[in-house]
Amino acid sequence: KAGVTQTPRYLIKTRGQQVTLSCSPISGHRSVSWYQQTPGQGLQFLFEYFSETQRNKGNFPGRFSGRQFSNSRSEMNVSTLELGDSALYLCASSLNQRLAGPDTQYFGPGTRLTVL
Amino acid sequence: QKEVEQDPGPLSVPEGAIVSLNCTYSNSAFQYFMWYRQYSRKGPELLMYTYSSGNKEDGRFTAQVDKSSKYISLFIRDSQPSDSATYLCAMTQGGSEKLVFGKGMKLTVNP
Repeated sequence: KAGVTQTPRYLIKTRGQQVTLSCSPISGHRSVSWYQQTPGQGLQFLFEYFSETQRNKGNFPGRFSGRQFSNSRSEMNVSTLELGDSALYLCASSLNQRLAGPDTQYFGPGTRLTVL
Repeated sequence: QKEVEQDPGPLSVPEGAIVSLNCTYSNSAFQYFMWYRQYSRKGPELLMYTYSSGNKEDGRFTAQVDKSSKYISLFIRDSQPSDSATYLCAMTQGGSEKLVFGKGMKLTVNP
C-alpha cells in the first residue's frame, strides 16, 4: 500500500507570493491533517479535514487555508508569503475509525518551503 | 508556557546504552500520549502510544506516563545506531485528531 505522498517536495518562493501544496492520503483514509514544522516552534497543527469539511483548526492566521476533495486528497494554500512561513509542511492521514485509542496518523515526507 | 515541553538536546550515546527521553505537559485534559520517531528527510512515524497513566512496553522501547506529575518518558534499551533520529512526544485529548507535539529530541547512537 502506498504511503502518504506530498508534492512538491521542495519549493522556493518570494515574499508576497502565494503557494499551494498537495497531499494524497493513504488509500481508504478519510482524515487529512496538516502540520508546520520549524526548528523554533517544532510541529504545530494547522488544520484537519474529514469528508471535505474542516473539522479542527490550529492557531494560524487566515493566510493559511486548505481544502479536501471528494477523493480525500487535500491541498493547503498560503497567501501573501512571509519569511517566517519557511518551514517543512507535513500532511498526515488516518482512517478515522474512532475505535478505542486515537487513530494512528501516517505522515508524508513533507514539502520544504523556503521563502526569500 | 507551551502546552508540551521537551528538551531538544541533542543527545549522543554509545551503542548499547539505555536512553531516557522525557516530556512535560500542562493540559490535564490530555488522555493519549504518543512517541514519534523522525528520520532525516522523512515524516514522523508512530512508535507507540499510551492511554492515561501507566507503562507500555514494545520490544526495546518502554513508554511511561505519570498523569499526576504531567510527565511522560520513553526508554530505549540496548540502543542501536539505527535508533539515531529525532524523537517527538505528542498528546491529544482524544476524540480529536489534533496532536500537540514537543519540539523533538535529536538522538545519535554512536557505534
